[in-house]
Amino acid sequence: AQSVTQPDIHITVSEGASLELRCNYSYGATPYLFWYVQSPGQGLQLLLKYFSGDTLVQGIKGFEAEFKRSQSSFNLRKPSVHWSDAAEYFCAVGLYSGGGADGLTFGKGTHLIIQP
Amino acid sequence: DGGITQSPKYLFRKEGQNVTLSCEQNLNHDAMYWYRQDPGQGLRLIYYSQIVNDFQKGDIAEGYSVSREKKESFPLTVTSAQKNPTAFYLCASSGTNTGELFFGEGSRLTVL
Repeated sequence: AQSVTQPDIHITVSEGASLELRCNYSYGATPYLFWYVQSPGQGLQLLLKYFSGDTLVQGIKGFEAEFKRSQSSFNLRKPSVHWSDAAEYFCAVGLYSGGGADGLTFGKGTHLIIQP
Repeated sequence: DGGITQSPKYLFRKEGQNVTLSCEQNLNHDAMYWYRQDPGQGLRLIYYSQIVNDFQKGDIAEGYSVSREKKESFPLTVTSAQKNPTAFYLCASSGTNTGELFFGEGSRLTVL
């Protein structure tokens, strides 16, 4: 069965510092991978996605992620964080059957705190 | 603007009562999903529907029911059989086979 692990429950970063959020997945084939962000009490917004091709993908708000098949990882990065980046971040892997997309399996999330 | 509308945003229920959460989308997406979110647990799939008049159970379907009579609508009923219904519920839709999801703003259900 597919699974997603986000090893860090909480991460604290100073404003202006770089950020890396870790994500490891377990999946039998080439995965479709996603990063979502959630502000308190809100729905989830897609940051970026990987389907195939270039392993470094660019997303919104200055985020990027790198797919590393050998490490089963899809880590999210940002060179310089802003106070508005404080939120919950979720990594997800796609589930598929012959009938199409069966949903996404999500990690448990990483809570990002920005220090002034 | 196209999007997903969930209602109500907040809902209180007494134990033993059924409650129905609404989810409507105008994105013309075929697939719709319901997730439950609990603190520290991430999102867990309750039910999903890839086409009208058809739906499948997700990982935690017990105590929930759904219907898909129209492409735009995918209501979720939380029944009295759900032992711990207090949670944040998220509806999503997808228009492609890649599985990319678009989410609503969520409904918070509290059982008193």
